[in-house]
Amino acid sequence: ETGVTQTPRHLVMGMTNKKSLKCEQHLGHNAMYWYKQSAKKPLELMFVYSLEERVENNSVPSRFSPECPNSSHLFLHLHTLQPEDSALYLCASSQDRWTAINQPQHFGDGTRLSIL
Amino acid sequence: AQTVTQSQPEMSVQEAETVTLSCTYDTSESDYYLFWYKQPPSRQMILVIRQEAYKQQNATENRFSVNFQKAAKSFSLKISDSQLGDAAMYFCACLPASGTYKYIFGTGTRLKVLA
Repeated sequence: ETGVTQTPRHLVMGMTNKKSLKCEQHLGHNAMYWYKQSAKKPLELMFVYSLEERVENNSVPSRFSPECPNSSHLFLHLHTLQPEDSALYLCASSQDRWTAINQPQHFGDGTRLSIL
Repeated sequence: AQTVTQSQPEMSVQEAETVTLSCTYDTSESDYYLFWYKQPPSRQMILVIRQEAYKQQNATENRFSVNFQKAAKSFSLKISDSQLGDAAMYFCACLPASGTYKYIFGTGTRLKVLA
């Protein structure tokens, strides 16, 4: 039981498709995150939600649209993506956004996204 | 701007031997936390070890230990008695302690363990 579950594990889509990534956490955490992981690049923080309120949008293009209906679920809606958006998208959660040394982030397995 | 640099894209170690992964960081914050995360192939990223910058004592977790040199802004990870299950990508990360959630990650080091 990983605590943070992401679906699907793999997604291949065309540039004109609309799809959504889902993240679910069963840890009772109040903060959830989307990261983009590209080869040979540091993890890029995309969005942060705290108690279902978006607290960070790290200059992410509007073709990525997050949604947090409750503190256990986080979605990333995708529309009109570009080939350079192909990457591993990681979801994470933490107790809250006011971090502490004993409250590290817990990560999901990620969704491997390929844009044709 | 804060940065984390992992200068070794890939490292190899013989099983049962010791390996050290390097990490340097740059931050203007006076207090911060440092982390090493492990990401096995097709598996989730998990926390390996963490260090509070105001603590001089190096953190240890079983076979994993760090060499924290605050003045040099260096935070290396030592893995002793390497096991096949240690093969993974290892990410170094820095997090300001000033109530923020903005982790800064390095590019990662791929560790191969040779039988």
